[in-house]
This record gives sequence, C-alpha cells and structure tokens, in this order.
Amino acid sequence: AQSVTQPDIHITVSEGASLELRCNYSYGATPYLFWYVQSPGQGLQLLLKYFSGDTLVQGIKGFEAEFKRSQSSFNLRKPSVHWSDAAEYFCAVILWGGANNLFFGTGTRLTVIP
Amino acid sequence: DGGITQSPKYLFRKEGQNVTLSCEQNLNHDAMYWYRQDPGQGLRLIYYSQIVNDFQKGDIAEGYSVSREKKESFPLTVTSAQKNPTAFYLCASKVGHSNQPQHFGDGTRLSIL
Repeated sequence: AQSVTQPDIHITVSEGASLELRCNYSYGATPYLFWYVQSPGQGLQLLLKYFSGDTLVQGIKGFEAEFKRSQSSFNLRKPSVHWSDAAEYFCAVILWGGANNLFFGTGTRLTVIP
Repeated sequence: DGGITQSPKYLFRKEGQNVTLSCEQNLNHDAMYWYRQDPGQGLRLIYYSQIVNDFQKGDIAEGYSVSREKKESFPLTVTSAQKNPTAFYLCASKVGHSNQPQHFGDGTRLSIL
C-alpha cells in the first residue's frame, strides 16, 4: 500500500543549529510531494512543494527540501533554526490517479532550545 | 484577504448530540476537504467534495455527514454515532487541478462534556 513515513516523532535542536526532517514515501512512481508546518492550535501552512524538475526545492521561511528518487525520500532542511520554527511538520503526497487527495505522514514535532 | 474560515474555534458536545462545524472559503476553490487530527496520527480524511452537490467518503467517514450546497461552504456534522468525537478538525480547499496543494483553515477543537 502507498504510504508516507516520517520516522522521527520528536526532534530537539538548539537555536542556530541545522535541521533535517526525514520523509519517505512508498509508491511506484514519483508522486507530488509537499511539506506543511503547523503551529499549536492552528491550521497547516504550506512550506514547499515538488512536482518535477530540479530535485532541490526552496520554500518559505528559509526551508528547502531535496527529492531523492533512489531513496524515495523528500527530506526537509534548514541551515540555521530559529526559536519560531518550533512546530509540527507534516510531509504529504498526492498520488497519481484517483481523487488526487493528500496523504499525510504522522508528523514530526520540533522543539528548539535556546 | 482570501482564505478559509472555520467556526467555532472551540466546540463542546454533550452525549447523544449532533454538532455542526462550519467551513467557508472565498478562494473560489472547487474542492473542499475535512480532516480529523489526533495526537500521533497525523491527519485522516473524513469527507471530500470536488464539485457542488457531490461529495465522497474518506478513510474515516463513519459517524460524520456533510453537505455541499454552495461552492464556498462545506459544513461537517458530527453525529451521535461518532463514539469518539474529541479531536481537532481541519477544513481545506484547493483548485481543481490534481497537483495543487491544499489550503487549510485554522481548525475547530471539539470536546465532549
């Protein structure tokens, strides 16, 4: 079955440190890939998306993600984390065909320590 | 500004009571969605609608109902048949193209009294 896996439930980093959040998908073809961020009690905000082309995509708030077909991964990165980045991060995919709905990973909660 | 408005922000339900969550969008989007969010489980799709007067069940539709009488509105009713309704509910919408991202409202937190 198709799925999206975020293996890290919770990550803690120091402010100013680099960040990488992992996302793996299980699907035969290349899906459309997204990263969303959710602050407590809020909705989801789109950080970036990948459809095709350049495998390194830039998003808002200084985030970027790299699509690696060989590893079925779409990891989110930021070179220097700010305290305001503390939130929950969701990887999501749209699979070809069907209703083209989003399938979400279970999320990674990021804590930033001063 | 265009966006998705969910109301109320907090909602309380008594046992055996139906409650309706509102979702309105002024983005002129064709498709609308309802998700349920529980800790550690990510977002699960309840219902979705790709055009007016049409909607389909998602992965966890039991105990819920929806309507889509207008393009901008997609209310969700949590019925008494939903035995564990306490959750955070998110509404989303997107344009009709298959690869476009969804835009989300700020959610409604439903609790049982």
